Amino acid sequence: QKEVEQNSGPLSVPEGAIASLNCTYSDRGSQSFFWYRQYSGKSPELIMFIYSNGDKEDGRFTAQLNKASQYVSLLIRDSQPSDSATYLCAVPMIKAAGNKLTFGGGTRVLVKP
Amino acid sequence: EPEVTQTPSHQVTQMGQEVILRCVPISNHLYFYWYRQILGQKVEFLVSFYNNEISEKSEIFDDQFSVERPDGSNFTLKIRSTKLEDSAMYFCASKGWNPSTDTQYFGPGTRLTVL
Repeated sequence: QKEVEQNSGPLSVPEGAIASLNCTYSDRGSQSFFWYRQYSGKSPELIMFIYSNGDKEDGRFTAQLNKASQYVSLLIRDSQPSDSATYLCAVPMIKAAGNKLTFGGGTRVLVKP
Repeated sequence: EPEVTQTPSHQVTQMGQEVILRCVPISNHLYFYWYRQILGQKVEFLVSFYNNEISEKSEIFDDQFSVERPDGSNFTLKIRSTKLEDSAMYFCASKGWNPSTDTQYFGPGTRLTVL
């Protein structure tokens, strides 16, 4: 079983609509979850993180976490063409002082004007 | 706003040559990482570094790889004898003092091309 899984997409949404991205993870002990945005040829850029079950909102972005279902999602409201990118779900693996991030394969989002 | 910097942005080398990729982490961060991303694939962990030693390394990080923090600011990744399959984007990341919660911030990456 893959540690962090995402649908690869592309997820095509019209401008102004809501984009919904999903991520599942295998380690029940995971405590924190990160969403990064990656434009083609660029490095991952933090969008937001979530630690507690429920919703967390930051501007047009909402992260939702359900630890019982091992599921974290990202909603992008009022999608803009500039939101077109690959969105990476990342989960830290708590081990010694390492805390390496395990990434999903990313979901490519395409916002059409 | 503080940021992680990396040099060079693009490195082209011949197979078998040594390369050194350089990173300057955010100044008050304590945890440092290297990741790589082969074109079209997912971001993969290579190594983490804390308190002047490797805290964890992946299967990819074999004897051809090494890391060093030669002074108080730089963090380097050396590949001793590059292979074609080492061609990838290499990202440096750093994290603050809290081992379990702080965010990892990524540098812009170095694109390594091995010919």
